[in-house]
Amino acid sequence: GAVVSQHPSRVICKSGTSVKIECRSLDFQATTMFWYRQFPKQSLMLMATSNEGSKATYEQGVEKDKFLINHASLTLSTLTVTSAHPEDSSFYICSARAPLFGYTFGSGTRLTVV
Amino acid sequence: AQSVTQLDSQVPVFEEAPVELRCNYSSSVSVYLFWYVQYPNQGLQLLLKYLSGSTLVESINGFEAEFNKSQTSFHLRKPSVHISDTAEYFCAVSASSGGSNYKLTFGKGTLLTVNP
Repeated sequence: GAVVSQHPSRVICKSGTSVKIECRSLDFQATTMFWYRQFPKQSLMLMATSNEGSKATYEQGVEKDKFLINHASLTLSTLTVTSAHPEDSSFYICSARAPLFGYTFGSGTRLTVV
Repeated sequence: AQSVTQLDSQVPVFEEAPVELRCNYSSSVSVYLFWYVQYPNQGLQLLLKYLSGSTLVESINGFEAEFNKSQTSFHLRKPSVHISDTAEYFCAVSASSGGSNYKLTFGKGTLLTVNP
């Protein structure tokens, strides 16, 4: 149990376009979802925390208008990178929290903006 | 707020040797502690966790970690490593009582490289 599916695993987009990343909890209801960004050979940086049905809480320094997070249901959260630029290229990972299962991570999305 | 320090960024060892990956944390509240493993271009997989009870926790693949409250440590150990254990290992901490939505704070990671 406690599987989180993240799609796409890899995406290449043109500068100025928007990209949506989905994170689904497959067999449990995720009360809270987290979005992380990971730079090469570095740790995970928490970008935002979202609770179902409410606005996401962004960490300091994260642009909420660039990284739109929607958590419309207990099984789905999306991260949209708007007007992407090359500096947004990174590895994005979602994580879901459910009371019994702790934290479960998606497999990550490698975003390359060209 | 919590913080995590992983003292070694890289740990090279030979196959079948023992290994210890060090993790220290700081927190003003009670915490849960985790070790995650990450293989290249993949997400994080939970290796083991300490929530309460016995301070020694074990994973199914031979790793163990011991919660030491007095030393605020949660070091990861394995008595004999395999080539397949080569990966990045992250120590993480969260508050144990609802603060900040239980968000995880990660250490910077330790790259374990097992050589033949």
